Amino acid sequence: EIVLTQSPGTLSLSPGERAILSCRASQYISSSLLAWYQQKPGQAPRLVIFGASNRATGIPDRFSGSGSGTDFTLTISRLEPEDFGVYYCQQYTGSFPFGRGTRLEIK
Amino acid sequence: QVRVVQSGAEVKMPGASVKVSCTAFGYTFSTYYMHWVRQAPGQGLEWMGTINPDDGSTTYAQRFQGRVTMTRDTSTRTVYMELRSLRSEDTAVYYCARDGSAYSNTWFNPWGQGTPVTVSS
Repeated sequence: EIVLTQSPGTLSLSPGERAILSCRASQYISSSLLAWYQQKPGQAPRLVIFGASNRATGIPDRFSGSGSGTDFTLTISRLEPEDFGVYYCQQYTGSFPFGRGTRLEIK
Repeated sequence: QVRVVQSGAEVKMPGASVKVSCTAFGYTFSTYYMHWVRQAPGQGLEWMGTINPDDGSTTYAQRFQGRVTMTRDTSTRTVYMELRSLRSEDTAVYYCARDGSAYSNTWFNPWGQGTPVTVSS
């Protein structure tokens, strides 16, 4: 089974700064099969990016996804207070493993 | 508006079973697979399995094989997840999530609000 490793585990940044979150797969993934989710405390996860680079409905354009093969990135260009939370990557190739998450916290 | 709404919190004794429901609104029920994901306290997301509401076929994560059953009722647009032989480690929030693309296994969108299940004697 494909294992997804997210880094860093925790990212401490200030509003207005740029966030770069990494997701590395243990084997090749088609870029069309990688998603990112945001989860805030006490809430269900919310889809942010699908197909590695496509923003979900309602997601602001400061969010962007990129990558291919085994290395994928979620970038938030200028952090807003509502962007802080935990971000998970997920691949969907028969099973649906998630990464362990990156906690994005306010510095 | 597309949404999925789950049943309420449950408290169960070790060894018991729990059955969580997830009702779909705002789209053609049989067209989109439904997934189940759980999250233990302070932990990450764990996929449990998937059901095709059209024919009821299922795929389960290996670690839940033999202990989980997913079913659907097309008349009420509801899917169910039953987990048996509960133990304390099954204490978690259980989510259903609709697949994002018709007749496919892809990303999960939208998600239900979550159903907390507590297993305690």
